Amino acid sequence: QSVLTQPPSASGAPGQRVTISCSGSSSNVGSNTVNWYQQLPGTAPKLLIYSNNQRPSGVPDRFSGSKSGTSASLAISGLQSEDEADYYCAAWDDSLNGVVFGGGTKLTVL
Amino acid sequence: QVQLQESGPRLVRPSETLSLTCTVSGYSISSGYFWGWIRQPPGKGLEWIGSMYHSGKTYYNSSLKSRVTISVDTSKNQFSLRLSSVTAADTAVFYCVRGLGSGNSIFDYWGQGTLVTVSS
Repeated sequence: QSVLTQPPSASGAPGQRVTISCSGSSSNVGSNTVNWYQQLPGTAPKLLIYSNNQRPSGVPDRFSGSKSGTSASLAISGLQSEDEADYYCAAWDDSLNGVVFGGGTKLTVL
Repeated sequence: QVQLQESGPRLVRPSETLSLTCTVSGYSISSGYFWGWIRQPPGKGLEWIGSMYHSGKTYYNSSLKSRVTISVDTSKNQFSLRLSSVTAADTAVFYCVRGLGSGNSIFDYWGQGTLVTVSS
Protein backbone atom coordinates (compact mmCIF):
# COMPACT_ATOMS: atom_id res chain seq x y z
CA GLN A 1 0.00 0.00 0.00
CA SER A 2 1.00 3.63 -0.49
CA VAL A 3 2.80 5.71 2.12
CA LEU A 4 0.30 8.55 1.64
CA THR A 5 -3.38 7.68 2.03
CA GLN A 6 -6.05 8.95 -0.36
CA PRO A 7 -9.65 7.85 -0.82
CA PRO A 8 -9.87 5.61 -3.89
CA SER A 9 -12.79 7.53 -5.34
CA ALA A 10 -14.68 10.81 -5.19
CA SER A 11 -17.58 12.21 -7.14
CA GLY A 12 -19.67 15.30 -7.62
CA ALA A 13 -22.18 16.87 -9.95
CA PRO A 14 -21.21 19.63 -12.39
CA GLY A 15 -20.83 22.93 -10.59
CA GLN A 16 -20.33 21.35 -7.18
CA ARG A 17 -17.26 21.47 -4.96
CA VAL A 18 -15.32 18.33 -4.09
CA THR A 19 -12.34 17.76 -1.85
CA ILE A 20 -9.77 14.98 -1.91
CA SER A 21 -7.74 14.23 1.18
CA CYS A 22 -4.15 13.05 1.53
CA SER A 23 -2.98 11.72 4.87
CA GLY A 24 0.64 11.13 5.77
CA SER A 25 2.99 11.28 8.73
CA SER A 26 5.51 13.54 10.39
CA SER A 27 8.28 12.37 8.07
CA ASN A 28 6.51 13.36 4.87
CA VAL A 29 3.42 15.60 4.83
CA GLY A 30 4.16 16.86 8.32
CA SER A 31 7.60 18.18 7.42
CA ASN A 32 7.58 18.79 3.66
CA THR A 33 5.40 20.46 1.11
CA VAL A 34 2.68 18.54 -0.73
CA ASN A 35 2.15 18.51 -4.48
CA TRP A 36 -0.83 17.32 -6.48
CA TYR A 37 -0.92 15.75 -9.92
CA GLN A 38 -3.82 15.33 -12.32
CA GLN A 39 -3.82 12.38 -14.71
CA LEU A 40 -6.43 12.55 -17.44
CA PRO A 41 -7.35 9.20 -19.02
CA GLY A 42 -4.57 7.82 -21.22
CA THR A 43 -2.17 10.70 -20.54
CA ALA A 44 0.87 11.45 -18.41
CA PRO A 45 0.31 13.10 -15.05
CA LYS A 46 0.47 16.89 -14.90
CA LEU A 47 1.54 19.09 -12.01
CA LEU A 48 -1.65 20.66 -10.64
CA ILE A 49 -0.70 22.17 -7.27
CA TYR A 50 2.79 22.63 -5.83
CA SER A 51 4.15 23.72 -2.48
CA ASN A 52 0.82 22.93 -0.76
CA ASN A 53 -1.24 25.66 -2.41
CA GLN A 54 0.46 27.15 -5.48
CA ARG A 55 -0.92 26.77 -8.98
CA PRO A 56 1.37 26.49 -12.01
CA SER A 57 0.66 28.85 -14.85
CA GLY A 58 -2.42 27.75 -16.76
CA VAL A 59 -4.13 25.87 -13.94
CA PRO A 60 -7.58 27.37 -13.27
CA ASP A 61 -8.20 28.92 -9.87
CA ARG A 62 -11.02 26.39 -9.40
CA PHE A 63 -8.24 24.14 -8.11
CA SER A 64 -6.81 24.88 -4.67
CA GLY A 65 -4.68 23.07 -2.13
CA SER A 66 -4.16 23.25 1.60
CA LYS A 67 -2.19 21.50 4.31
CA SER A 68 -2.54 21.17 8.04
CA GLY A 69 -0.26 19.01 10.14
CA THR A 70 0.09 15.61 8.53
CA SER A 71 -2.87 15.99 6.17
CA ALA A 72 -3.41 17.86 2.93
CA SER A 73 -6.41 18.48 0.72
CA LEU A 74 -7.17 19.29 -2.87
CA ALA A 75 -10.37 21.20 -3.54
CA ILE A 76 -12.06 21.56 -6.90
CA SER A 77 -14.88 24.06 -7.16
CA GLY A 78 -17.28 24.56 -10.04
CA LEU A 79 -16.77 20.96 -11.08
CA GLN A 80 -16.61 20.37 -14.84
CA SER A 81 -16.77 17.20 -16.91
CA GLU A 82 -13.16 17.67 -18.01
CA ASP A 83 -12.06 17.41 -14.37
CA GLU A 84 -12.79 13.68 -14.48
CA ALA A 85 -9.36 12.20 -13.85
CA ASP A 86 -7.12 10.49 -11.33
CA TYR A 87 -5.52 12.75 -8.72
CA TYR A 88 -2.33 11.96 -6.82
CA CYS A 89 -0.67 13.66 -3.88
CA ALA A 90 3.09 13.47 -3.37
CA ALA A 91 5.65 14.53 -0.81
CA TRP A 92 9.28 14.04 0.08
CA ASP A 93 9.80 11.59 2.94
CA ASP A 94 12.71 12.39 5.25
CA SER A 95 12.88 8.86 6.67
CA LEU A 96 12.89 7.14 3.28
CA ASN A 97 14.97 9.94 1.73
CA GLY A 98 12.78 9.87 -1.34
CA VAL A 99 9.47 10.78 -2.93
CA VAL A 100 6.25 9.09 -1.86
CA PHE A 101 2.89 9.17 -3.61
CA GLY A 102 -0.67 8.61 -2.51
CA GLY A 103 -2.55 5.72 -4.08
CA GLY A 104 -4.59 8.08 -6.21
CA THR A 105 -8.23 9.19 -6.22
CA LYS A 106 -10.47 8.63 -9.20
CA LEU A 107 -12.80 11.61 -9.58
CA THR A 108 -16.10 11.02 -11.34
CA VAL A 109 -18.25 13.91 -12.52
CA LEU A 110 -21.84 12.72 -12.29
CA GLN B 1 9.43 24.46 -24.46
CA VAL B 2 10.92 21.61 -22.46
CA GLN B 3 10.12 18.19 -23.85
CA LEU B 4 11.06 14.71 -22.67
CA GLN B 5 10.82 11.54 -24.74
CA GLU B 6 11.35 7.98 -23.52
CA SER B 7 12.85 5.30 -25.74
CA GLY B 8 13.91 1.70 -25.35
CA PRO B 9 12.72 -1.91 -25.67
CA ARG B 10 9.02 -2.47 -24.99
CA LEU B 11 9.50 -6.14 -24.09
CA VAL B 12 12.03 -7.47 -21.60
CA ARG B 13 12.56 -11.09 -20.53
CA PRO B 14 12.31 -12.01 -16.85
CA SER B 15 15.66 -11.82 -14.98
CA GLU B 16 17.11 -9.50 -17.62
CA THR B 17 17.85 -5.78 -17.38
CA LEU B 18 15.38 -3.12 -18.44
CA SER B 19 17.05 -0.13 -20.11
CA LEU B 20 15.36 3.13 -21.06
CA THR B 21 16.67 6.46 -22.28
CA CYS B 22 15.07 9.88 -21.99
CA THR B 23 15.97 12.52 -24.53
CA VAL B 24 15.50 16.11 -23.38
CA SER B 25 14.89 19.01 -25.72
CA GLY B 26 14.37 22.68 -24.98
CA TYR B 27 16.64 22.65 -21.91
CA SER B 28 20.22 21.64 -21.22
CA ILE B 29 20.50 18.94 -18.54
CA SER B 30 23.86 20.38 -17.47
CA SER B 31 22.14 23.66 -16.53
CA GLY B 32 20.50 22.15 -13.47
CA TYR B 33 17.40 20.45 -12.07
CA PHE B 34 17.01 16.79 -11.20
CA TRP B 35 16.17 14.19 -13.83
CA GLY B 36 14.39 11.00 -12.93
CA TRP B 37 11.94 8.20 -13.51
CA ILE B 38 8.47 7.34 -12.24
CA ARG B 39 6.54 4.20 -13.12
CA GLN B 40 2.90 3.17 -13.11
CA PRO B 41 1.84 -0.50 -13.32
CA PRO B 42 -1.26 -1.00 -15.47
CA GLY B 43 -4.33 0.16 -13.59
CA LYS B 44 -2.32 1.19 -10.53
CA GLY B 45 -0.76 4.27 -8.98
CA LEU B 46 2.50 6.14 -9.38
CA GLU B 47 5.82 4.98 -7.94
CA TRP B 48 8.93 7.14 -7.86
CA ILE B 49 12.00 5.17 -8.97
CA GLY B 50 14.75 7.73 -8.51
CA SER B 51 16.27 11.06 -9.52
CA MET B 52 19.71 12.31 -10.44
CA TYR B 53 21.31 15.75 -10.50
CA HIS B 54 23.47 16.51 -13.53
CA SER B 55 26.51 16.51 -11.27
CA GLY B 56 25.91 12.87 -10.39
CA LYS B 57 24.14 13.02 -7.02
CA THR B 58 21.42 10.36 -7.03
CA TYR B 59 18.40 9.46 -4.93
CA TYR B 60 16.72 6.08 -5.33
CA ASN B 61 13.54 4.50 -4.02
CA SER B 62 14.77 2.35 -1.16
CA SER B 63 12.63 -0.58 -2.31
CA LEU B 64 14.35 -0.61 -5.71
CA LYS B 65 17.78 0.71 -4.83
CA SER B 66 19.62 -2.60 -5.20
CA ARG B 67 18.40 -2.97 -8.80
CA VAL B 68 18.34 0.61 -10.13
CA THR B 69 20.92 2.79 -11.83
CA ILE B 70 20.18 6.24 -13.24
CA SER B 71 22.86 7.95 -15.29
CA VAL B 72 23.17 11.16 -17.25
CA ASP B 73 24.90 11.86 -20.56
CA THR B 74 25.15 15.63 -20.79
CA SER B 75 26.84 15.46 -24.22
CA LYS B 76 23.68 13.91 -25.68
CA ASN B 77 21.30 15.73 -23.32
CA GLN B 78 19.95 12.35 -22.25
CA PHE B 79 19.54 10.39 -19.07
CA SER B 80 18.96 6.69 -18.64
CA LEU B 81 17.41 4.05 -16.40
CA ARG B 82 18.63 0.54 -15.83
CA LEU B 83 16.55 -1.86 -13.75
CA SER B 84 18.10 -5.28 -13.28
CA SER B 85 16.65 -8.71 -12.53
CA VAL B 86 13.16 -7.76 -13.67
CA THR B 87 10.03 -9.80 -13.01
CA ALA B 88 6.44 -9.51 -14.20
CA ALA B 89 5.85 -7.13 -11.30
CA ASP B 90 8.07 -4.58 -13.05
CA THR B 91 5.65 -4.33 -15.99
CA ALA B 92 4.62 -0.68 -16.07
CA VAL B 93 4.41 2.58 -17.96
CA PHE B 94 7.70 4.35 -17.30
CA TYR B 95 7.78 8.16 -17.30
CA CYS B 96 10.89 10.30 -17.39
CA VAL B 97 10.54 13.55 -15.47
CA ARG B 98 12.25 16.78 -14.57
CA GLY B 99 12.31 17.44 -10.85
CA LEU B 100 13.04 20.54 -8.85
CA GLY B 101 15.43 18.79 -6.49
CA SER B 102 15.91 16.76 -3.38
CA GLY B 103 13.64 17.48 -0.47
CA ASN B 104 10.60 18.04 -2.65
CA SER B 105 8.34 16.13 -5.01
CA ILE B 106 7.75 18.70 -7.73
CA PHE B 107 7.96 17.22 -11.21
CA ASP B 108 7.13 19.95 -13.68
CA TYR B 109 7.79 18.19 -16.99
CA TRP B 110 6.90 14.61 -17.92
CA GLY B 111 7.51 12.42 -20.92
CA GLN B 112 4.50 10.79 -22.56
CA GLY B 113 5.41 7.47 -20.99
CA THR B 114 6.35 4.12 -22.45
CA LEU B 115 4.85 0.75 -21.55
CA VAL B 116 7.45 -1.90 -20.82
CA THR B 117 6.22 -5.47 -20.49
CA VAL B 118 8.23 -8.15 -18.71
CA SER B 119 7.39 -11.49 -20.23
CA SER B 120 9.05 -14.55 -21.69
